[in-house]
Amino acid sequence: NAGVTQTPKFQVLKTGQSMTLQCAQDMNHEYMSWYRQDPGMGLRLIHYSVGAGITDQGEVPNGYNVSRSTTEDFPLRLLSAAPSQTSVYFCASSRWGAIGELFFGEGSRLTVL
Amino acid sequence: EDKVVQSPLSLVVHEGDTVTLNCSYEVTNFRSLLWYKQEKKAPTFLFMLTSSGIEKKSGRLSSILDKKELFSILNITATQTGDSAIYLCAELNNNDMRFGAGTRLTVKP
Repeated sequence: NAGVTQTPKFQVLKTGQSMTLQCAQDMNHEYMSWYRQDPGMGLRLIHYSVGAGITDQGEVPNGYNVSRSTTEDFPLRLLSAAPSQTSVYFCASSRWGAIGELFFGEGSRLTVL
Repeated sequence: EDKVVQSPLSLVVHEGDTVTLNCSYEVTNFRSLLWYKQEKKAPTFLFMLTSSGIEKKSGRLSSILDKKELFSILNITATQTGDSAIYLCAELNNNDMRFGAGTRLTVKP
């Protein structure tokens, strides 16, 4: 049972480059979300989705785009990377009836130079 | 803006000690208060609390919510080195979750 799979695990970008962090889950979860984790700041919600075709902004959405064309996939796009986006990114999913019980991917460490 | 505040930020104890971690929140449209444990990588779910005064328990860990005073505590009894982790609390508000900064617990042998 794969759960939530994130790729890549590590990435180094130059300022201004774009990239996509992939997230896939095989649990048929309706709810998916992206967080970033920075030292001393806990997890901050970037974007979330309550089902295919529906996305919404979280606490820190600027500089990131998402889409949800299928139940399984929820990619996070950085359009023009900035050093302030250096962070560890986590994708998470849950059943609609238990949104708080998140299952997290293993994280993607992104460095922007 | 809604805020979730955890205390202490870090804690060092010895095996066998009992610890209490605190989480306060200030929120509208509250749905649930959650606790997670984060070791090396991803957080893992511990408890979801929705009603005041009802203790949730799992082995040596327990948690309770006070919706009047807007706080929750996580207790760990007879701590073990394997309990060393960052403990995160989060408030679920409508469809988004806001996390506190976490409490880093270190349990020494």
